[in-house]
Amino acid sequence: EAQVTQNPRYLITVTGKKLTVTCSQNMNHEYMSWYRQDPGLGLRQIYYSMNVEVTDKGDVPEGYKVSRKEKRNFPLILESPSPNQTSLYFCASSFLGGDTDTQYFGPGTRLTVL
Amino acid sequence: GQNIDQPTEMTATEGAIVQINCTYQTSGFNGLFWYQQHAGEAPTFLSYNVLDGLEEKGRFSSFLSRSKGYSYLLLKELQMKDSASYLCAAASGGSYIPTFGRGTSLIVHP
Repeated sequence: EAQVTQNPRYLITVTGKKLTVTCSQNMNHEYMSWYRQDPGLGLRQIYYSMNVEVTDKGDVPEGYKVSRKEKRNFPLILESPSPNQTSLYFCASSFLGGDTDTQYFGPGTRLTVL
Repeated sequence: GQNIDQPTEMTATEGAIVQINCTYQTSGFNGLFWYQQHAGEAPTFLSYNVLDGLEEKGRFSSFLSRSKGYSYLLLKELQMKDSASYLCAAASGGSYIPTFGRGTSLIVHP
């Protein structure tokens, strides 16, 4: 089954404790992306990657890091989480080029930083 | 950058028709997406328009006017399960990757 998986689905942590949210896709997609979603603000892009070893900042990259060492994986790293990073996070992937480039979203990770 | 506007909230009655509008301002337009998102769940793809006109998919239709920077999503024969947030997103600048609006929360009542 074609899918994007994220782990963990739910996480409660404390300020300053480094954490990683994993994202993996099995569709051989070149493009992967991380979004955060907050009430009233919609989906905002954090980072994206066009292919292995190619990453770029989105609209709200501050406080986040990513890596793309393999095509299927795109982990999101919070080196020192703060309460304003409490949010619902989505990973997404797609092929590049052509009008069938719908993005497939993971199930979401709800993060609470105390 | 891009500017995407859509109403924050709409309500409608089960069995009725509702139209959710979206306006956008972008350079290098590469298509307009609509996604559906139920509370706490991931967005799911509904439609993609790159040419002017109406595209119909069952109870859902999507319209695009490139000259006006305008799109709408039309939902017919509304069902309670259609209560969700509907996200308008535009791709631009030679990319097919969309930038999302803030979404329209649709409430369907009996």
